[in-house]
Amino acid sequence: AQSVAQPEDQVNVAEGNPLTVKCTYSVSGNPYLFWYVQYPNRGLQFLLKYITGDNLVKGSYGFEAEFNKSQTSFHLKKPSALVSDSALYFCAVRDQAGTALIFGKGTTLSVSS
Amino acid sequence: DTGVSQNPRHKITKRGQNVTFRCDPISEHNRLYWYRQTLGQGPEFLTYFQNEAQLEKSRLLSDRFSAERPKGSFSTLEIQRTEQGDSAMYLCASSHGSSNQPQHFGDGTRLSIL
Repeated sequence: AQSVAQPEDQVNVAEGNPLTVKCTYSVSGNPYLFWYVQYPNRGLQFLLKYITGDNLVKGSYGFEAEFNKSQTSFHLKKPSALVSDSALYFCAVRDQAGTALIFGKGTTLSVSS
Repeated sequence: DTGVSQNPRHKITKRGQNVTFRCDPISEHNRLYWYRQTLGQGPEFLTYFQNEAQLEKSRLLSDRFSAERPKGSFSTLEIQRTEQGDSAMYLCASSHGSSNQPQHFGDGTRLSIL
């Protein structure tokens, strides 16, 4: 069965510091991986995806993610955090044959000024 | 691209009542999805349409739930005889073409059962 784990409920960083939000996955076959961000009382906004190709994927708002097949991980990163990055972040996976996204429980990112 | 639109944004109803939510996807998207999100959890898949055909349903979609997409455009999700456990955010998403395209989400309908 497909699954996603986000091991940290909350990540705290200071503005200007690099940030990492961790994600590991389990899927049969090759994964399609996604990161979304959710602000209070809003839907999910797409940040980036990995389908195939280069292991480092660049997305919206300066975010990037690194796909590591051997560690089955897809960590979200940003070189310099902004206070406005504070939000709830979800990692999701889908196998090539599937349609539904399987989401992790989410990680709350808090960036302090 | 006006985004995915969901109405109403909030719905408060008494236990046992029926409720219906509407989703208008991005116009050129042929795929439409419904998810449910409870507090502290990620969204959970409910059902999927390609054009007007409902192709996949989760085991979460009990027989009190029904979804339609009559002309392959907007979709409705109806919950009959609501229960306390139905309280959640109901999210609609749409996508274009193949399965490697991202799903774009609406802002959801928050359902509260009194």
